[in-house]
Amino acid sequence: AQSVTQLGSHVSVSEGALVLLRCNYSSSVPPYLFWYVQYPNQGLQLLLKYTSAATLVKGINGFEAEFKKSETSFHLTKPSAHMSDAAEYFCAVSTDKLIFGTGTRLQVFP
Amino acid sequence: GAGVSQSPRYKVAKRGQDVALRCDPISGHVSLFWYQQALGQGPEFLTYFQNEAQLDKSGLPSDRFFAERPEGSVSTLKIQRTQQEDSAVYLCASSFRTGPLPDEQYFGPGTRLTVT
Repeated sequence: AQSVTQLGSHVSVSEGALVLLRCNYSSSVPPYLFWYVQYPNQGLQLLLKYTSAATLVKGINGFEAEFKKSETSFHLTKPSAHMSDAAEYFCAVSTDKLIFGTGTRLQVFP
Repeated sequence: GAGVSQSPRYKVAKRGQDVALRCDPISGHVSLFWYQQALGQGPEFLTYFQNEAQLDKSGLPSDRFFAERPEGSVSTLKIQRTQQEDSAVYLCASSFRTGPLPDEQYFGPGTRLTVT
C-alpha cells in the first residue's frame, strides 16, 4: 500500500525566504511522486512530478523537489518565496490512482 | 484550450435528497478520476474510468455513491439519499493515460456540496 505524510500542516515564511515543504512516502514499488498546489476555491495544479528519471525535479514557478530513496522523501523547495506562493500544497504518490497527503498551507509574510 | 469543467460549482442539498455532479474532461483524455476532499483534508480517491469502463470504484464510501461515463467523455457522480457526512468538495480529474502507468492528472475546480 502507498501513503504520503506531510510534516507540518502550516508553514510561514517571509517574502524572499527559503520555502521547504516536507513529504515522506511509503510505497512497496518504485513510486511516481507529485506535488500539487491548490489556490482558494480552485482545483489542483501540478507543480512537478517524479517518474524515476532525474532525482532532482524542476517544476513551475521556481519550485523543485529532490527524490531521496534512502530517506523516502520528496521535499519541495523554492529559494525565494513570493507573496503569490501562498496556497495549499499537496504531495501525492501514485502507482495507479493518486494518494494525497493532508496538505501544507503556506503563508508568506511581507 | 479548455480545461476540466465541473458543474454545478456549488450545491446545497437537504439531507435525503439525491444529487448529480457533472464532469467534462479535457477533450481526448482517456482516463477520468473522481476524488472527495473534506474540509482541511487532502483529496481522497473515489473512482476511475478508462473510456466508459469503470476500472476501480474501491474508494466509493457506500452504495449510495454511483458514477458513470456512458460515452467515454462526460461523467456524472450521483449521490443518493445524501447525508451530512457527504458534505465535501468533489474533484474531477482527467488524463491521457491509456495504460497502467500513472500520468499527470488535470483537475477541475470542484463542486462544493453542502448537505443541510
